[in-house]
Amino acid sequence: EAGVVQSPRYKIIEKKQPVAFWCNPISGHNTLYWYLQNLGQGPELLIRYENEEAVDDSQLPKDRFSAERLKGVDSTLKIQPAELGDSAVYLCASSPPGTPNTEAFFGQGTRLTVV
Amino acid sequence: AQSVAQPEDQVNVAEGNPLTVKCTYSVSGNPYLFWYVQYPNRGLQFLLKYITGDNLVKGSYGFEAEFNKSQTSFHLKKPSALVSDSALYFCAVREPGDYKLSFGAGTTVTVRA
Repeated sequence: EAGVVQSPRYKIIEKKQPVAFWCNPISGHNTLYWYLQNLGQGPELLIRYENEEAVDDSQLPKDRFSAERLKGVDSTLKIQPAELGDSAVYLCASSPPGTPNTEAFFGQGTRLTVV
Repeated sequence: AQSVAQPEDQVNVAEGNPLTVKCTYSVSGNPYLFWYVQYPNRGLQFLLKYITGDNLVKGSYGFEAEFNKSQTSFHLKKPSALVSDSALYFCAVREPGDYKLSFGAGTTVTVRA
């Protein structure tokens, strides 16, 4: 079974430029998460989807960040414009339908460097 | 609000010695607790979870964790550490009925040969 796939693995951009990250969850997983992980810290939730609906985006900085999950499968996270402080690893995770006791499966992440 | 604390930034042990990584939590109600491991430049890998039942949970790679409700703790343990266990370990918690997964800051484990 294929795991959660994220691309690109690494991205270097200049500040004020836009950037987008893509995530393909495990087949059949209706819950999709985007997490931000700063160096030496634990992941912090940005947004959670149940199918195509964003059910928790309270931590997403909506002035520059946006996300979408059209058709309830793949998802894209966008930053426009990027700032130096956005340099971090962006993790995507998914979990199957059911109860909250099911674990989330993580992709390898996209490491963003803003220069 | 749910939260997780990992009081130790780093744990250093010799290969063959027991390994313990500490975690305490704060939730309303009975928690769902998880441990993940992260190797350099990799995503998080699930190790084990506590949902209900036996307080001692066994997981991947010889790891186990003990749930202690009175102390609100969920410490990760391995009887005999390997050099390959060197990694970053995260404890995470969910409240019942909530899909939000909250992580601790992580503990770096170094196992020396």
